[in-house]
Amino acid sequence: NAGVMQNPRHLVRRRGQEARLRCSPMKGHSHVYWYRQLPEEGLKFMVYLQKENIIDESGMPKERFSAEFPKEGPSILRIQQVVRGDSAAYFCASSPPGTGDLGDTQYFGPGTRLTVL
Amino acid sequence: GQNIDQPTEMTATEGAIVQINCTYQTSGFNGLFWYQQHAGEAPTFLSYNVLDGLEEKGRFSSFLSRSKGYSYLLLKELQMKDSASYLCAAYNFNKFYFGSGTKLNVKP
Repeated sequence: NAGVMQNPRHLVRRRGQEARLRCSPMKGHSHVYWYRQLPEEGLKFMVYLQKENIIDESGMPKERFSAEFPKEGPSILRIQQVVRGDSAAYFCASSPPGTGDLGDTQYFGPGTRLTVL
Repeated sequence: GQNIDQPTEMTATEGAIVQINCTYQTSGFNGLFWYQQHAGEAPTFLSYNVLDGLEEKGRFSSFLSRSKGYSYLLLKELQMKDSASYLCAAYNFNKFYFGSGTKLNVKP
């Protein structure tokens, strides 16, 4: 059973370009979460999605950032018109369907390290 | 708001025992998770507590006191490979609030 897959592992963009980060959850997992981690800092929640639905996007910046999890294919985190401050590691995690009340363990992908020049 | 506090860095000796503390203040709480993260890698799940008390898993144990908003991770018989960051995360209905992590340095 493959783990959570993320690609690319490293992404370099110039200011103003778009960054697209992909996440394929573990088999059987229908919940996807995106986190951002700045150097020497903890993980910051960005968004929680289920298939075709955004459940909670309270951690997403209001502009330039969007996320989707289509019926078919990976979840995509898109950052438009990137700025230097967007440079960070972006981790995706997935968990199986659950009640939401219990701690459904999240399994993390290897992350995408975005560098904005 | 959400506030998760843990020490920034700790150092311990190989073979020893170390306790990493975590205090949390969150609006809503369903459980407390601990993750291990080696530099440049993804966090990996270690343990979680929903109820008060101690959960033991081999060399790792985690404790929770919901009334005090407090948890700790206990690592026994430290090995060099335990050098990593340890992330405390408070869980509230599908959302994890992570602390900044405690960097543990294990010395020979």
